[in-house]
Amino acid sequence: ETGVTQTPRHLVMGMTNKKSLKCEQHLGHNAMYWYKQSAKKPLELMFVYSLEERVENNSVPSRFSPECPNSSHLFLHLHTLQPEDSALYLCASRLATGRNTEAFFGQGTRLTVV
Amino acid sequence: GDSVTQMEGPVTLSEEAFLTINCTYTATGYPSLFWYVQYPGEGLQLLLKATKADDKGSNKGFEATYRKETTSFHLEKGSVQVSDSAVYFCALKVGGAGGTSYGKLTFGQGTILTVHP
Repeated sequence: ETGVTQTPRHLVMGMTNKKSLKCEQHLGHNAMYWYKQSAKKPLELMFVYSLEERVENNSVPSRFSPECPNSSHLFLHLHTLQPEDSALYLCASRLATGRNTEAFFGQGTRLTVV
Repeated sequence: GDSVTQMEGPVTLSEEAFLTINCTYTATGYPSLFWYVQYPGEGLQLLLKATKADDKGSNKGFEATYRKETTSFHLEKGSVQVSDSAVYFCALKVGGAGGTSYGKLTFGQGTILTVHP
């Protein structure tokens, strides 16, 4: 248990569905991240929020829409996804006031797009 | 840009064997280096880290030394256990809260380790 909780753990959705992934931390962290983990590929950083402001968007398609309503919660809204979007989506958080502070990861949401 | 290259897996060992997983990196600044471990069905957990040249990170019998001259951070363990079976990720981070990196981690592709009794 790292203190970062992701829900749901597993999600199967059709290409026309709309769903949301949720990440929650009560560690007092102020930076949150979404990563995508696909088979046989390095983890890909998708979005970074620092102090509730999106500071990085790594050329992610618009069918992925992040939201950070407060420093404890991060969402990833999904719509009209493609089968190649099937992956493990990992949320991480850290205290962004120190150079060497550790990032804590959630257990991930295993997404399957059918 | 920043990148991390890990030895390709999967790596299969017998219990009590010696483990080495190679990791090399390229970075635009002076990075901190990390090894993360992912057990089956779980997210990533920090295993160890090193923040400057010649630092040695260690945890749970695993060690890695930050070698600036060879831009490497190889993971080693003298005697692996079945419970060490997992995916291991080498990662780097340049900068902290500000600047243009916001503390983001750049990962290698991961190395699957399987340890048999």
